[in-house]
Amino acid sequence: RKEVEQDPGPFNVPEGATVAFNCTYSNSASQSFFWYRQDCRKEPKLLMSVYSSGNEDGRFTAQLNRASQYISLLIRDSKLSDSATYLCVVNPPPSYGKLTFGQGTILTVHP
Amino acid sequence: DAGVIQSPRHEVTEMGQEVTLRCKPISGHDYLFWYRQTMMRGLELLIYFNNNVPIDDSGMPEDRFSAKMPNASFSTLKIQPSEPRDSAVYFCASSQQGGNTEAFFGQGTRLTVV
Repeated sequence: RKEVEQDPGPFNVPEGATVAFNCTYSNSASQSFFWYRQDCRKEPKLLMSVYSSGNEDGRFTAQLNRASQYISLLIRDSKLSDSATYLCVVNPPPSYGKLTFGQGTILTVHP
Repeated sequence: DAGVIQSPRHEVTEMGQEVTLRCKPISGHDYLFWYRQTMMRGLELLIYFNNNVPIDDSGMPEDRFSAKMPNASFSTLKIQPSEPRDSAVYFCASSQQGGNTEAFFGQGTRLTVV
């Protein structure tokens, strides 16, 4: 089983739509969780951290369910500029020094 | 700060040649990571350093790959000899507190081995 698994995608949605991405992780002792965004032929950049209580940043909401080892990202009112690959990222043991990335989910928002 | 700086941005080399990728992390960051990205395998961690010391190199594919960090402001990833299957984008990233904080990525080196 992969350490981090994401929805295969791709997602193709119209502007204004709400879209949700899911991710599962294999190691229950993982400590930190993130969503990164990667534009085509660019480097990954942090979109938001994911906290147990859930957190929101504008149109973006992230949720963590430790019992199910599940992370989600919800994007409301999609914009053309949201088109990118979204990467689920986990910080696993034993050293917690590294970040393990999922394969990514491609989102395309069309007019 | 200029961010993480990688060089070269693009590298085309012939099979069997030695390739050296370079990285300058953000000043003050104690962790440095080397990742490789391909369509098939996504982003894979090759090796990471803490305070210039290699901590986990379990992702290094084989003995042809080696990485060094002689000081806090410079790291290299070397492939010798290179093979076509090494073709990928290689990213260097740095962070202040390892996996608990944001990792900042360089723009990557796109390596093509022909």
